[in-house]
Amino acid sequence: KQEVTQIPAALSVPEGENLVLNCSFTDSAIYNLQWFRQDPGKGLTSLLLIQSSQREQTSGRLNASLDKSSGRSTLYIAASQPGDSATYLCAVRYNFNKFYFGSGTKLNVKP
Amino acid sequence: KAGVTQTPRYLIKTRGQQVTLSCSPISGHRSVSWYQQTPGQGLQFLFEYFSETQRNKGNFPGRFSGRQFSNSRSEMNVSTLELGDSALYLCASSAGTGVDNEQFFGPGTRLTVL
Repeated sequence: KQEVTQIPAALSVPEGENLVLNCSFTDSAIYNLQWFRQDPGKGLTSLLLIQSSQREQTSGRLNASLDKSSGRSTLYIAASQPGDSATYLCAVRYNFNKFYFGSGTKLNVKP
Repeated sequence: KAGVTQTPRYLIKTRGQQVTLSCSPISGHRSVSWYQQTPGQGLQFLFEYFSETQRNKGNFPGRFSGRQFSNSRSEMNVSTLELGDSALYLCASSAGTGVDNEQFFGPGTRLTVL
C-alpha cells in the first residue's frame, strides 16, 4: 500500500529563517513527485514538480530534492516570509494520474 | 491561459439529496482528476478521466460517479448524500500521461450536507 507521510505536521518560524519540510513515501517506484501550497479554504497551487529521474528542482526561494532509494523528498524554503504561511502538501504519482497525498505541513512564518 | 474552474463554489444540501459538481480543465488538457478533502482524511483520490474514459478509481462507494465530455469538461455526481460527504471537492487537470505531467488544481467546491 502506498503511503505518504509529511513531517512535521506544523511548523512556526520567525521571518527570515531557512526551513526544510519533509515528505516520505513507502513505494519508491514513483513517476514523479509534486509539491503544492494550499491557503485556507482554497485550492492547491503547484510549486515544484520533480520527475523520478531528477534529483532536485528549484524555483526562486524554493528548492525540492528527491531521493527515490530512501523514499524521501525535502522542500527547502530560503529566507522565509509571512506570505509563505500556508499548508504545504507533497503528492506522489505512481501510475497514470493517480496521486497519493501527504497530510501536509502547516507553516506559520511570524513577522 | 485560464486556470481550472469549478462550479459551483459552494453548495448546501440535505441528507438523501443528490449533487452534481462541474470542472472545466485548462484548455488543451485532456485529463481531469477529482479529489475529496476533509480535515480527518486529508486529500483522497476519487477518480481520473482521460479522453472521456475513467482510467483510475479510488476507494469510494458507488454513490460517487463521474463523467467527462468530449471538450474535456468533467462532472462529478454524488447520490444519496450523507453527512460525511461534507468536504472540499477539488479537481485537477493535466495535459496527459507523461512522466513530467503536472497537475493544476481548481479552487474547489465546498459541499455542506445538513
